[in-house]
Amino acid sequence: EVQLVESGGGLVKPGGSLRLSCAASGFTFSSYSMNWVRQAPGKGLEWVSSISSSSSYIYYADSVKGRFTISRDNAKNSLYLQMNSLRAEDTAVYYCARVLISGELEYPFDYWGQGTLVTVSS
Amino acid sequence: QSVLTQPPSVSGAPGQRVTISCTGSSSNIGAGYDVHWYQQLPGTAPKLLIYGNSNRPSGVPDRFSDSKSGTSASLAITGLQAEDEADYYCQSYDSSLSGWVFGGGTKLTVL
Repeated sequence: EVQLVESGGGLVKPGGSLRLSCAASGFTFSSYSMNWVRQAPGKGLEWVSSISSSSSYIYYADSVKGRFTISRDNAKNSLYLQMNSLRAEDTAVYYCARVLISGELEYPFDYWGQGTLVTVSS
Repeated sequence: QSVLTQPPSVSGAPGQRVTISCTGSSSNIGAGYDVHWYQQLPGTAPKLLIYGNSNRPSGVPDRFSDSKSGTSASLAITGLQAEDEADYYCQSYDSSLSGWVFGGGTKLTVL
């Protein structure tokens, strides 16, 4: 069974940093591109970042470019999101999500974690 | 504002058919990129509902279908059931933004 479990969320002050993790199991993690998607309270979905299976290709939404860094450790079946210079508008539930087709980047997301809440507030 | 525009809400009675529109532009839907649809039940993570050319993941009933024309796409739900009450999101790729974009979401209420 495919499972994605996010962790690392919490309360952080504006300007602070946080590192999210996503532990994957039930599939060959190293073969799949992964994504981070966030959802502000009561709002819609916003794509944050994508990373290919071998980390060769990495993309960011303009809203987080230069502040967030996506990475992965295929040996540990884990995906990460390093978030720096956090702002109030970064407050959201952050989901990690797997791309549908192994080896591909531009396919939709078929498995999602349960999300981890990041709150940026003084 | 979201790059893809959806109506904030739609409603229908059990057994009826409803459609949810998703309007984009020449840099996403109009450029030929596929449109995908997600269902998000209250308090849960989104679930892939339809992708690409009307493909449904295993377990998604054929009551759900989609269509695309020009810069717009639509999700249709027939035989509406109480369990369909959820938020629905469209997704596509945007070449000018070099990334994925979502619609703002549509809340479906089953009357």
